[in-house]
Amino acid sequence: EAQVTQNPRYLITVTGKKLTVTCSQNMNHEYMSWYRQDPGLGLRQIYYSMNVEVTDKGDVPEGYKVSRKEKRNFPLILESPSPNQTSLYFCASSLLATGGSPLHFGNGTRLTVT
Amino acid sequence: DQQVKQNSPSLSVQEGRISILNCDYTNSMFDYFLWYKKYPAEGPTFLISISSIKDKNEDGRFTVFLNKSAKHLSLHIVPSQPGDSAVYFCAALRVYSGGGADGLTFGKGTHLIIQP
Repeated sequence: EAQVTQNPRYLITVTGKKLTVTCSQNMNHEYMSWYRQDPGLGLRQIYYSMNVEVTDKGDVPEGYKVSRKEKRNFPLILESPSPNQTSLYFCASSLLATGGSPLHFGNGTRLTVT
Repeated sequence: DQQVKQNSPSLSVQEGRISILNCDYTNSMFDYFLWYKKYPAEGPTFLISISSIKDKNEDGRFTVFLNKSAKHLSLHIVPSQPGDSAVYFCAALRVYSGGGADGLTFGKGTHLIIQP
């Protein structure tokens, strides 16, 4: 089954403790992206990647890192999480970055930083 | 500065009637507009899109209309069904001449409630 898989689905951590949210897609997609969803703010892009070893900042990159060493994986790294990073995170992928190729989203990771 | 705006946080429509969800944008350089649907505890799923060179795209019960001069698009669902109850996000994308693109810019979403 074609899908985007994020892990974990739920995560509670403390301020300053490094964490990684994994994302993997099995569709051979070139483009991958991370979004966060917050009440009243909709979906905001954190980072995106057009292809392997190519990553770019989105609208809200502060406090996050990503890497794209393989086509299928695009982990999101929080080196020193803070409470304002408590949010619902979505990983997404598409065949290409162009509009004719819609994004496929994972089911989300709900992160709580205390 | 919000480039994609959905000014109605929620919309309630009776089953069988038409649902119209609206979206406004400010960036005239957007090339594609997309609608996504989201159920609780799931990721958004793609619904329908439209290129900026078109004014209408239809797929079954879903039709998207684009008015470039007004920088406005709308999603029509006819007839509305209970399973359509979800949050709908409008999104826009700009494609560059080299083939690359920025990420999708999303609106804040509209919660559609279909009443029996």
